Amino acid sequence: NAGVTQTPKFRVLKTGQSMTLLCAQDMNHEYMYWYRQDPGMGLRLIHYSVGEGTTAKGEVPDGYNVSRLKKQNFLLGLESAAPSQTSVYFCASVTPGRGSYNEQFFGPGTRLTVL
Amino acid sequence: AQSVTQLGSHVSVSEGALVLLRCNYSSSVPPYLFWYVQYPNQGLQLLLKYTTGATLVKGINGFEAEFKKSETSFHLTKPSAHMSDAAEYFCAVRTTQGGATNKLIFGTGTLLAVQP
Repeated sequence: NAGVTQTPKFRVLKTGQSMTLLCAQDMNHEYMYWYRQDPGMGLRLIHYSVGEGTTAKGEVPDGYNVSRLKKQNFLLGLESAAPSQTSVYFCASVTPGRGSYNEQFFGPGTRLTVL
Repeated sequence: AQSVTQLGSHVSVSEGALVLLRCNYSSSVPPYLFWYVQYPNQGLQLLLKYTTGATLVKGINGFEAEFKKSETSFHLTKPSAHMSDAAEYFCAVRTTQGGATNKLIFGTGTLLAVQP
């Protein structure tokens, strides 16, 4: 199993450009999440999905959109990139346990710079 | 609501010394607590977790953590640091906001440096 993969690994954008980050998991997980990591701030949840065709806002959703058309994929879109969106983006997935609390599995991250 | 506080954004220890990384939590429901490790330029990897049962939890790479309800703490320890332990460590607590969605709230992280 590849686990959780993210595409691309690195990207540089100019202000106002758009892009889509792809997260794919091959573990048949129900839930998927997008985080951003900034120095001194830990990981903050952008959006998440509890199943195919469903998405919800997290802690810092502004400026981002997501889609989950297939169970294994979770896309994060930036319609008009801003320098404040320079960050490292992580995707994670999990299947909720029955009577237990399963941990999230993380991808390797995408480092995005917006000039 | 839930939150975690990690005391000390940078910790430096000598190789062979005790590692102690501090985490305090706040939770309005029974807490489920996690420690993740992030090696340079990699994603997060679970070290250990506490959900229910034994309050002393053993994880990978010789790490362990003890859940202390009276102190609202979940500190991470390792008796003897190795150079390979140099990484950033994140404490996390489950949040029930928005329903049962397995969401986590992360602390701001502690960067562990190990000196030879």
